[in-house]
Amino acid sequence: EVQLVESGGGLVQLGGSLRLSCTASEITVSTSEMNWVRQAPGKGLEWISYIHHSEDTVYYADSVKGRFTISRDSAKNSLYLQMNSLRPEDTGVYYCARERDIRQFDIWGQGTMVTVSS
Amino acid sequence: IQMTQSPSSLSASVGDRVTITCRASQDIRNDLGWYQHKPGKAPKLLIYAASTLQSGVPSRFSGSRSGTDFTLTISSLEPEDFATYYCLQDYVYHTFGGGTKVELK
Repeated sequence: EVQLVESGGGLVQLGGSLRLSCTASEITVSTSEMNWVRQAPGKGLEWISYIHHSEDTVYYADSVKGRFTISRDSAKNSLYLQMNSLRPEDTGVYYCARERDIRQFDIWGQGTMVTVSS
Repeated sequence: IQMTQSPSSLSASVGDRVTITCRASQDIRNDLGWYQHKPGKAPKLLIYAASTLQSGVPSRFSGSRSGTDFTLTISSLEPEDFATYYCLQDYVYHTFGGGTKVELK
């Protein structure tokens, strides 16, 4: 079955760090364009990061630039999001999503919850 | 690029025709998709390239474009369509609209 499964969420204190993982089945992360999207409680979806299959190109939303780093491990067929200097406004559900050649996201994970306490 | 989505919520009945709009702050060609999101679930791609139906999505969903205005139409609302809908531009990076919650009247 084609699926993405996120993990690594949890409770962290203001200024702390967390690394999220997204493990793929029936999808090859190293040849796919991948994204992270989040949803704060009671808010809408927010795109936060993208990685090209060549890994030479990565993009970030201004809200996380300089604090978050997207990466992947071909051997583990996994995508990661290293989150540093966390703030309460980073609280939310984090989704990984595959971007098809149509530049939209056709496969999503179920999400992992991140809570940043002050 | 800013995406202004309206309305933020609407109440409708089964069988109603529903229209949701996203306005882009600049020309984004046809580089827009629509998603359905239910609580606790992964978002689901409905339409890409402004008007192309994703495989497996019912034909009651349709999308259109007029300049920088994009519309998602549900021709006859079904019980499983009560959800929140988002547009997503992919012309420059990605930006979601603010969402439209479709609730039961």
